[in-house]
Amino acid sequence: TAGITQAPTSQILAAGRSMTLRCTQDMRHNAMYWYRQDLGLGLRLIHYSNTAGTTGKGEVPDGYSVSRANTDDFPLTLASAVPSQTSVYFCASSEDFSSYGYTFGSGTRLTVV
Amino acid sequence: QKEVEQNSGPLSVPEGAIASLNCTYSDRGSQSFFWYRQYSGKSPELIMSIYSNGDKEDGRFTAQLNKASQYVSLLIRDSQPSDSATYLCAVVRTGGTSYGKLTFGQGTILTVHP
Repeated sequence: TAGITQAPTSQILAAGRSMTLRCTQDMRHNAMYWYRQDLGLGLRLIHYSNTAGTTGKGEVPDGYSVSRANTDDFPLTLASAVPSQTSVYFCASSEDFSSYGYTFGSGTRLTVV
Repeated sequence: QKEVEQNSGPLSVPEGAIASLNCTYSDRGSQSFFWYRQYSGKSPELIMSIYSNGDKEDGRFTAQLNKASQYVSLLIRDSQPSDSATYLCAVVRTGGTSYGKLTFGQGTILTVHP
């Protein structure tokens, strides 16, 4: 089934450790996004990529980095995790940066202790 | 003021009733508006988009937009228990760091009881 694959599904991470959340899409979408979802705050954009080789900062980028080496993959890295990064992380994609029918992955539930 | 604001609910309606979900936004330049549905433990999915003032109907769903009042709503007619979910309002930003990207409200939890 075409779509977005995120891994891992869930993770418990010790504070101060690093981690990379993986996101792969097989729809050949140009634009990709990382959101975090927290109770009462909704979905907030962390980073985005309009096309392979380019990335941009969203609303809450601090503590996170991304890369977009090719069209399909858009990993999100936490260099030194803190408890406030406990959240559900969703990767999404769209055909291009002006398309808003985002397709979301199934999410990664991250707990930083 | 939040950029996109929704009543978090929960909103509870009986089966067969009309559910009304509301959203206000602060970016007066916004031109594109969306409703996403998210079932518990699942990812959001797009259900409606609206770009012009007025109503847009799709089956049991009607989106309403009033740009002068900076207000978007979603009506669900003949509500079914399967409509129970969190409904997310989203607006395309016209400025700031997330220019051209979707900004979401916090979501309204809808429960339709038999």
